[in-house]
Amino acid sequence: DAGVIQSPRHEVTEMGQEVTLRCKPISGHDYLFWYRQTMMRGLELLIYFNNNVPIDDSGMPEDRFSAKMPNASFSTLKIQPSEPRDSAVYFCASRVYTGELFFGEGSRLTVL
Amino acid sequence: SQKIEQNSEALNIQEGKTATLTCNYTNYSPAYLQWYRQDPGRGPVFLLLIRENEKEKRKERLKVTFDTTLKQSLFHITASQPADSATYLCALEKDAGNMLTFGGGTRLMVKP
Repeated sequence: DAGVIQSPRHEVTEMGQEVTLRCKPISGHDYLFWYRQTMMRGLELLIYFNNNVPIDDSGMPEDRFSAKMPNASFSTLKIQPSEPRDSAVYFCASRVYTGELFFGEGSRLTVL
Repeated sequence: SQKIEQNSEALNIQEGKTATLTCNYTNYSPAYLQWYRQDPGRGPVFLLLIRENEKEKRKERLKVTFDTTLKQSLFHITASQPADSATYLCALEKDAGNMLTFGGGTRLMVKP
């Protein structure tokens, strides 16, 4: 398996624009997590899914953020409208019921 | 509130020595504790998992201890090498199939 695949790896956009980050989890993994990492706040959980259903989205900062998982092999995290404080590295990770998390390489977002 | 604390200051040690990293937590009763390694520009990579009823776990040069009374985990790297230089993150899981919450990480620098 190729591992967790995220795109884009880097995104530079202007304030107010819509940003869509994409993730393909490892086949057979039924849990998918979105994390955000900054120097100030470290690695924060935004939302996680089980069998494509959102289980806990309490980490989503505000209504500008939304996440979907239309099927077992694809998830998106959308920010609309984006703001400079959204600049961070966004990681997607997947796992089976328990055990290790497999992370993607991350999407580095810069909002100007 | 729940907290996971790791030493935010970098740990500098000489090659060949044992590195010991600490993870303390409060207001948590985790069922599992995990350790990850993160290199610059990459996603975290799983190293070890220890359950609440286990005192110690080993894997090659790595050793993890888990003291639920002290609410602390220690992560040891014996015979450290410059290639071990990275940031190490601990993560707690309250119950199986739940979300993983990460500490802020400790940066380890091993000098030749």
